[in-house]
Amino acid sequence: SQQGEEDPQALSIQEGENATMNCSYKTSINNLQWYRQNSGRGLVHLILIRSNEREKHSGRLRVTLDTSKKSSSLLITASRAADTASYFCATDPRETYSGGGADGLTFGKGTHLIIQP
Amino acid sequence: DAGVTQSPTHLIKTRGQHVTLRCSPISGHKSVSWYQQVLGQGPQFIFQYYEKEERGRGNFPDRFSARQFPNYSSELNVNALLLGDSALYLCASSRQSLATNEKLFFGSGTQLSVL
Repeated sequence: SQQGEEDPQALSIQEGENATMNCSYKTSINNLQWYRQNSGRGLVHLILIRSNEREKHSGRLRVTLDTSKKSSSLLITASRAADTASYFCATDPRETYSGGGADGLTFGKGTHLIIQP
Repeated sequence: DAGVTQSPTHLIKTRGQHVTLRCSPISGHKSVSWYQQVLGQGPQFIFQYYEKEERGRGNFPDRFSARQFPNYSSELNVNALLLGDSALYLCASSRQSLATNEKLFFGSGTQLSVL
């Protein structure tokens, strides 16, 4: 089952504008990650935010995390045509580790972002 | 340095057949995970292997199996293929297991079509 849900499912904006995508999840997490996927091929890691962090920046990316609302947002500033892709949030759905192993990430369905030149 | 490599890139099989997908992680990475991505959906976790041991398994039937070799490469096997197994199969590697807040490095995937 997929824990995360991205909103909106699709977003089309003009080049130079900012793009904001949201992600909601259901269970306690250890961290939340954002990935980008171009043309249905491999995913590229963008940013990881831990459960004890509230905001993180990387270049034109800004991620926020609100664990009380179980939600995260990804902001891409000054968008470029090359930012056109699908964006996925992924949660590591466990708060603590007992040392007995690890499950995989739980991905949402993604937001398809189109940047119009 | 080479990224995560997967083979083959495309595969066409018929129902009931068996398939083996292969993955080589980034050099120095000890963990390999497999994900299935159906068109229009996000990836779904199948397996994680760390240091050649299964460390996690998603909600997939026993027709799906995997293993990791001493050189940390991995194989995903699917028996008795069904039409619903048609998907993009992604392999991802990380330095350690996910328990250490690791990010994943993905390969380009194997597109499997079951006819």
